[in-house]
This record gives sequence, C-alpha cells and structure tokens, in this order.
Amino acid sequence: SAVISQKPSRDICQRGTSLTIQCQVDSQVTMMFWYRQQPGQSLTLIATANQGSEATYESGFVIDKFPISRPNLTFSTLTVSNMSPEDSSIYLCSVTSGGFQETQYFGPGTRLLVL
Amino acid sequence: AQTVTQSQPEMSVQEAETVTLSCTYDTSENNYYLFWYKQPPSRQMILVIRQEAYKQQNATENRFSVNFQKAAKSFSLKISDSQLGDTAMYFCASTSGAGSYQLTFGKGTKLSVIP
Repeated sequence: SAVISQKPSRDICQRGTSLTIQCQVDSQVTMMFWYRQQPGQSLTLIATANQGSEATYESGFVIDKFPISRPNLTFSTLTVSNMSPEDSSIYLCSVTSGGFQETQYFGPGTRLLVL
Repeated sequence: AQTVTQSQPEMSVQEAETVTLSCTYDTSENNYYLFWYKQPPSRQMILVIRQEAYKQQNATENRFSVNFQKAAKSFSLKISDSQLGDTAMYFCASTSGAGSYQLTFGKGTKLSVIP
C-alpha cells in the first residue's frame, strides 16, 4: 500500500486563526479523502479531494470553512479556517490505490487543539 | 442512509485468548465492501481485514478472521491468540455500494488486552 505522511502531526492554535494540513503520498493515487475525528468519536468524512477540480463536500461541511486543494495525484491540503474550540479534532487523510480501489489507507493524522 | 452499528463500546480479553467484536450494517446494495480498521493510541488508522460482499468465503489475515453473514448483515471480527499490541479502538466500516469509495464507520469498540 502507499506510504502516506501528514504535516503537521499536531498543533495548538488560537481561535480565529487558520491551519493548513498537508497530505503527501509516495505514489500516484486515485482518490484522496479528508476525515475529521472529534474526541472520543468515530470518523466523519469531510470531503473528497478531486485532482484538478473543486472538492466534493459532505453534508455539514462547506468550502469556506474547509478549503481543500489537490494540485496533483500525490498531494492534497486541507485548511481549517477561522478556527474555534469545536474544531479541536484529529484530521486524517486517506487514499485509495493499487488493485483494491475500494480500500482506503490512512495517513497518521493531525491532532489539532484550538484554544 | 447507510448505518454501521458496533454494539460493544468496550471489551477486554486475556492475553493469548480469543475475542470476537460485533458489527452489523444496513444497506440496500447487493455488492459492497466491509472493513475492520484498528486505531491504537498512536491514532494511526490501520487496515486489519477486508471482505467483499459477493464472496461467501470469510476473509482471514493471520490471527484475524471475520464471520460474514450477508443475510443477517453481520460482520464480526475474531482475534485469536490476543497480544498486548492488539489493544486499540476497532472500527467497522462499509462502502455504500459497488464502485463507491465512501466509507461509513461504526462508533468503534475499545479493546483492551490484559497481560
């Protein structure tokens, strides 16, 4: 499976600021996704990052709050904008690649704390 | 909407013993994929095992195996010879149909392996 890295691994931010999280894959992948995992909760899909076009957002998530870029087949960014303490979560990217296109592999996650 | 239910919030097992984690799901699709992911305290989501719904044979991966009952929409995970490193949150997940990449996750089961 692909090797996925995320930067930063963790951060502490002040409310009202923005943070951009990077997801880098060591090989070209078909699909890239961004998830949020609130404390003690399961994973919720934020959006699908589409290469060369606008991301596809799930219900409850909007582009102004979570702008996403995917300039090529190995890289994507998620920005958490105008942060509030409710945005404190783990943010994970995932990819599908190889022969099992329905199988998602996850990055190590970014732990965000907003004060 | 698709749902995935894990009815056991927490479980514990003695080292070297066997434990079974339960998962049920609800889908109207005939072809889909089911997964178990493990999330240790490091928070990395690790794929444990996958099952294709059109395959009757239960998937196995070393000490991990599933009991897939399609008619009952049940997908339990059996861990044999439990090891301390198996201590983690375990999430059951399902795609919403053939060709779909979106995953729906259950709320998770916290497994503790006791020495």
